[in-house]
Amino acid sequence: ILNVEQSPQSLHVQEGDSTNFTCSFPSSNFYALHWYRWETAKSPEALFVMTLNGDEKKKGRISATLNTKEGYSYLYIKGSQPEDSATYLCAFPYGNKLVFGAGTILRVKS
Amino acid sequence: EAQVTQNPRYLITVTGKKLTVTCSQNMNHEYMSWYRQDPGLGLRQIYYSMNVEVTDKGDVPEGYKVSRKEKRNFPLILESPSPNQTSLYFCASSPNGRNYGYTFGSGTRLTVV
Repeated sequence: ILNVEQSPQSLHVQEGDSTNFTCSFPSSNFYALHWYRWETAKSPEALFVMTLNGDEKKKGRISATLNTKEGYSYLYIKGSQPEDSATYLCAFPYGNKLVFGAGTILRVKS
Repeated sequence: EAQVTQNPRYLITVTGKKLTVTCSQNMNHEYMSWYRQDPGLGLRQIYYSMNVEVTDKGDVPEGYKVSRKEKRNFPLILESPSPNQTSLYFCASSPNGRNYGYTFGSGTRLTVV
């Protein structure tokens, strides 16, 4: 069974704090790594799809880095805002399937 | 607007009564997939389809059927629902299932009593 692991499981931060989470995936047979943002009562939305070792992607205050050799990706949020509160999921294509991690729940207090 | 449309949003049914959850996408995507989400277990793939008439099992296919007769539609069929299929279901589509982000439908919350 393929393991895509995310840590921490949950995070509570104050407005204005910067934060980061980790996604670990198998380093062999790498094709891509996905990040999604999932707000309560909505459906997951794609943030980034990363394919190259050393890749860095940025969308506003959110950025991600990728290390395919050691099998991890970091998601960073700079200056967290209450509207950043969501579950952040990473996912790894394995054959023709996309396997999701369990997610990191972020709560930002104002 | 590019979207995946799932219906119904909410459904309460009784054990054994066949039901279908519909899914349609307007982006001409080749790849479509069904997931279920249960507390503490994350999103688990039920079935996927690489193209018309090509479907395959995901990680939790037992008790479900799918079909892909047209590119845009990928219905999920529960022939004889059971209480352990009570869950939140998502349909998703992608150009190729690998290096493009998935577009998700709005979800179907199913309760089987």
